[in-house]
Amino acid sequence: DSGVTQTPKHLITATGQRVTLRCSPRSGDLSVYWYQQSLDQGLQFLIQYYNGEERAKGNILERFSAQQFPDLHSELNLSSLELGDSALYFCASSARGGTSGEQYFGPGTRLTVT
Amino acid sequence: QQQVKQSPQSLIVQKGGIPIINCAYENTAFDYFPWYQQFPGKGPALLIAIRPDVSEKKEGRFTISFNKSAKQFSLHIMDSQPGDSATYFCAASDTTSGTYKYIFGTGTRLKVLA
Repeated sequence: DSGVTQTPKHLITATGQRVTLRCSPRSGDLSVYWYQQSLDQGLQFLIQYYNGEERAKGNILERFSAQQFPDLHSELNLSSLELGDSALYFCASSARGGTSGEQYFGPGTRLTVT
Repeated sequence: QQQVKQSPQSLIVQKGGIPIINCAYENTAFDYFPWYQQFPGKGPALLIAIRPDVSEKKEGRFTISFNKSAKQFSLHIMDSQPGDSATYFCAASDTTSGTYKYIFGTGTRLKVLA
């Protein structure tokens, strides 16, 4: 158990809808990273937050957004969902200050768009 | 230049064998190279990581070999066990900006036969 929690575990929704995925980092970790894992694209970095501020952006679509709250939990919002957004979404957290390369991944949220 | 190429895609070894998974990168700014293990239905778990200032690092039965001039690194699993059957991902990161966004390889599915 990495100490990173994600909810929900599974999500099934229809095209065009909007969903919110939630992540709680390990106690004391200030950085949260979001990744998407799909069969055709593999594991791809989406976005990083550090202590409430956006720190780095990857291949995140404009339909997707994220934020990190004062209690350090993070949410990934996916809107205008398309079939191709079906994937596993992982969040990871890293040690205080983001100065450690070690990222600890949560169990993921499996999103199915029908 | 941002890619990390991983091979082989899949690997089958006998118990006690030494599977070797290889990764290559182009971006010379990459300076942190972790390996992750992922079991079905779980998030990736950090196994071992290396920086370019060392050529080899061992942790238990897992060894990373790093060749900076060739821009290649590999994972060796000593005395492999059926419980090591999983998907392994290499990754690379340029940490000079203070972030650790990973570029992942495409993964190697390892099966260790009893």
